[in-house]
Amino acid sequence: EAGVAQSPRYKIIEKRQSVAFWCNPISGHATLYWYQQILGQGPKLLIQFQNNGVVDDSQLPKDRFSAERLKGVDSTLKIQPAKLEDSAVYLCASSLLGSPLHFGNGTRLTVT
Amino acid sequence: DQQVKQNSPSLSVQEGRISILNCDYTNSMFDYFLWYKKYPAEGPTFLISISSIKDKNEDGRFTVFLNKSAKHLSLHIVPSQPGDSAVYFCAASPRVQGAQKLVFGQGTRLTINP
Repeated sequence: EAGVAQSPRYKIIEKRQSVAFWCNPISGHATLYWYQQILGQGPKLLIQFQNNGVVDDSQLPKDRFSAERLKGVDSTLKIQPAKLEDSAVYLCASSLLGSPLHFGNGTRLTVT
Repeated sequence: DQQVKQNSPSLSVQEGRISILNCDYTNSMFDYFLWYKKYPAEGPTFLISISSIKDKNEDGRFTVFLNKSAKHLSLHIVPSQPGDSAVYFCAASPRVQGAQKLVFGQGTRLTINP
C-alpha cells in the first residue's frame, strides 16, 4: 500500500511571499487532514476534509491560509502572504473513518 | 490551552529495561487515545490506541494504560530496544461520527542507550 505523498519536502521563502503544498492521500481514504507542527510542539490540526467537503477548519488562519481538495482526492494547502511564524513542518494525513491517521513525511517550510 | 500534555520532553532508558512515557489530558470529551512514534524527517506513525471503555491495551512489547479518573495515560515499552529511540506523541480525540479530531501533546524524545 503506497503511503501519503507530499511535495515538496523542503521550501524556503521570504516573508510576504506565497507558497503551496501538495498532498496525495492513500487510495480510498475519504478523510484528509492538514496539520502544522512548529518546532518543539505537537502537530496542530489546520483543516479536515471528508471527501471534498470541509469538516473542520476552525484553526485555519483564513486571512492567509487556504486549502482545497479537488475531486475528493489530492489536496493543496496555500499560504499567502507568509509570515515568519509560519515556519513549521506541514503534515498531511489521511484515514478511513474510525481508523488511525496515516501521515506523510511533511513539508518543512522556512520563512526568512 | 494545552488539552494534552506530555510533561517530560525527554527520557533516557537502558536497552532491555522498561520505558514509561506519560500523558495527561484535560478535556472530558476525549474518549479515544493514541500513541504515535516519529523518526527524524519522517511523519508520525501510529503505534497503539485505546478506547475509553478499556483501561489497558497490549500489542507485543507495547502496552497503553488509561486512568480515566486521573485523566492520565501511559505507554510502556518492554523490553526497550535501540530502534525505539524516537519522539513519541500522545494524542486524544472525541469520537465525532467515527472521524478523529486528534489533539497532540508536545512529544517526548526517548533515547535507548546500549
